[in-house]
Amino acid sequence: EAGVAQSPRYKIIEKRQSVAFWCNPISGHATLYWYQQILGQGPKLLIQFQNNGVVDDSQLPKDRFSAERLKGVDSTLKIQPAKLEDSAVYLCASRPRTSGGELFFGEGSRLTVL
Amino acid sequence: KNEVEQSPQNLTAQEGEFITINCSYSVGISALHWLQQHPGGGIVSLFMLSSGKKKHGRLIATINIQEKHSSLHITASHPRDSAVYICAVRDAGGTSYGKLTFGQGTILTVHP
Repeated sequence: EAGVAQSPRYKIIEKRQSVAFWCNPISGHATLYWYQQILGQGPKLLIQFQNNGVVDDSQLPKDRFSAERLKGVDSTLKIQPAKLEDSAVYLCASRPRTSGGELFFGEGSRLTVL
Repeated sequence: KNEVEQSPQNLTAQEGEFITINCSYSVGISALHWLQQHPGGGIVSLFMLSSGKKKHGRLIATINIQEKHSSLHITASHPRDSAVYICAVRDAGGTSYGKLTFGQGTILTVHP
């Protein structure tokens, strides 16, 4: 079974530029999460999708971050414009069922904002 | 106070030692995950628990729902076990969508 795919693995941009990350969850997984993990901290939820609907985006900085999951399969997370404090690893995870099931993470996309 | 607290934050051990990492939480949960993250790598799910105990190889995870506490044990530790171990709890609230809250992680270093 293929895992959660993320790209790019690494991205370096200057502040005020924009960046987009892509995630393809495991086939059939209804729930998809985007997390931000700053060095030395645990992951922080940015947004949770159930199929193509948003379940929780309370911690997403909506003035600069956006995410979509068209057709309920793959998802894109965009940051525009980026700030220095956005430097982090952006993790995508998926889960097969709404109320149970193991969690599967991608390798993450490491963003450095200069 | 964080909803999920792990201890210790840093742990150094010699190869072969028995290791315990603790996780305490303050909210009602439907499940608890133990995750492993290697430097520069993604996160791997080790266990998902809702009660009792699970074992996989040298890893054992236990949970006490009444005391809101879980432990991850590593027997006969090895340098390749060096990683960050993260506890995450799934909300047992009214929604079935299962919001996850993460601990800050425990950095484990096992020396040969």
